[in-house]
Amino acid sequence: AQKITQTQPGMFVQEKEAVTLDCTYDTSDQSYGLFWYKQPSSGEMIFLIYQGSYDEQNATEGRYSLNFQKARKSANLVISASQLGDSAMYFCAMRANDYKLSFGAGTTVTVRA
Amino acid sequence: KAGVTQTPRYLIKTRGQQVTLSCSPISGHRSVSWYQQTPGQGLQFLFEYFSETQRNKGNFPGRFSGRQFSNSRSEMNVSTLELGDSALYLCASSMRDSTNEKLFFGSGTQLSVL
Repeated sequence: AQKITQTQPGMFVQEKEAVTLDCTYDTSDQSYGLFWYKQPSSGEMIFLIYQGSYDEQNATEGRYSLNFQKARKSANLVISASQLGDSAMYFCAMRANDYKLSFGAGTTVTVRA
Repeated sequence: KAGVTQTPRYLIKTRGQQVTLSCSPISGHRSVSWYQQTPGQGLQFLFEYFSETQRNKGNFPGRFSGRQFSNSRSEMNVSTLELGDSALYLCASSMRDSTNEKLFFGSGTQLSVL
């Protein structure tokens, strides 16, 4: 079974600063995908970034980057130059050979002006 | 290109009724999966379909069922609704049946059971 752990229930960050959201995972599968999603108060789950287990380079998507440390089973999300619109819940998730997405508990990010 | 479309956006039902939720995946996507989100349990996997076949099912009672049509659209049905079924139901789609595929979600259906 897959397990995702997000240890930070909530974080505050100053506008224009960077923030790192922690995520560790546990799986015995060799092939898997790691995802980060943003969920604003509206409820929509917005795809941010994806990292495949065989990808050697860390994924980047605009202001989002994923710090992938395979040996440590870690997939931290870095948001650079935070904006007020980044305030939301952020979920780390993994998809392995059972095809389902397993989610962490989420981290609430609040960006302060 | 249209995203994942879920209908209806909001739904209010009473205990004992049944409900059907619909999900239209991104054009060309053949895999559809469903998730339930509640404040207490977080996000939980319901089931996943690929080419009209259910490939995996989460730990939910038989009252929860689903299907996928030949055009990849999917429906999920909940019978004999209980108060605890109140949740946001999210649908996600991906192009292929691979772990190396990005999954995109719809806006969800907020179900309230009174």
